[in-house]
This record gives sequence, C-alpha cells and structure tokens, in this order.
Amino acid sequence: KAGVTQTPRYLIKTRGQQVTLSCSPISGHRSVSWYQQTPGQGLQFLFEYFSETQRNKGNFPGRFSGRQFSNSRSEMNVSTLELGDSALYLCASSLNSLVTSEAFFGQGTRLTVV
Amino acid sequence: GESVGLHLPTLSVQEGDNSIINCAYSNSASDYFIWYKQESGKGPQFIIDIRSNMDKRQGQRVTVLLNKTVKHLSLQIAATQPGDSAVYFCAEKQGGSEKLVFGKGTKLTVNP
Repeated sequence: KAGVTQTPRYLIKTRGQQVTLSCSPISGHRSVSWYQQTPGQGLQFLFEYFSETQRNKGNFPGRFSGRQFSNSRSEMNVSTLELGDSALYLCASSLNSLVTSEAFFGQGTRLTVV
Repeated sequence: GESVGLHLPTLSVQEGDNSIINCAYSNSASDYFIWYKQESGKGPQFIIDIRSNMDKRQGQRVTVLLNKTVKHLSLQIAATQPGDSAVYFCAEKQGGSEKLVFGKGTKLTVNP
C-alpha cells in the first residue's frame, strides 16, 4: 500500500510569490492534516481537512490556506511568501475511525524563501 | 501552555543499552498519545501509540508508559541500535480531533 505522497520535495521561491503544495493520502484515508516544521518552532499544526471540509485550523495567518478534493488529495497554498515561511511542510493522513487514530506522514516539502 | 514538552533535547547512549525518552504533556483532556521517530530528511514515522485508558503498551523493542497523574509519557527502547539514532517526538491528540500537538523533540544518538 502506497504511503503519503507529497510533491514537490523541494521548492525555492522568492519573497512575495505564492506556492502550492500537494499531498496524496494513503488510499482510504479521508483525513488530511498539514504541519509546518521549523528548527525554532518545531512541528506546528496548520489545518485539517475531512471530506473536503476544513475541520480544524491552527494559529497561522490567512496567507496559509488549503483545500481537499473529492478523492481526498489535498493542497495547501501560501500567498505573499515571507522569509519566515521557509520550513518543511508535512502532510499527514489518517483513517479517522473510532478504532484507530494513527496518523501517517509524508516525506514533506522543503520550502526555501529567498 | 498548549504544547507537549520534552525534558531533554539530546540523549546519547551506547549500542545495546536501553534508552528512555521522556515527555510531559499539559492538556489533561488529551486521550491519545503517539511517539514518532524522524530521521534526517524524512517525515515523522509512527512508532507506537497509547490511549488514555491504558498505562503501558509494548511493541517490538519499544514500550510506552503513560502516567496520567503527573501527565508524563515515556518511550523505552530496548537494546538500542545505531539505526535508532533520530529525533523522537511525542504528540497528543484530543478526542474527536485529528490535530496533533507535538513536543519539541529529543535527539537520540547511539554510539557504536
């Protein structure tokens, strides 16, 4: 069974640009969450999508947005990039059942803003 | 605050020793806890989980202990191997939400 797939693996953008990251969850998983990982702040929750609806949102500015498609694939978008947005962006998928709550992570997208 | 914290940022052990990584969590409403291992350049990898109605759970070479009285979580790795070298994170989840709150991480180094 394929794991969580994130594309692209690496990105370099300049300040002020926008970027879109993609995540394909494990087949059958309907919940997709996004996290930002930086050396200073660690792993921080961005948002979670389930059945194409945002169910939960972290404390990030409105420049960070996301969406989920009917096949559970998800994208996140960051507009007006700032230097501080440089980070590893991780996607996690879970079955979201009453029985199991394991969340599986992808390899991440390393975003560098210059 | 909301975050799950870790007691030690680094831990160095000899190959073959047992390792213990600790974690303190702050939200007594959390009912599910997970340990992740993250190797350089990779995403976090699930190691073991435990629900709040348990105090111990064992996997292959790993054991997680949960003490709800003092809100403490620990990961024990038996016969630590060089391949166990990584950063270990504990994370908590509250009922009904998929949101994970992570600790800062402990970097485990296994010396041959």
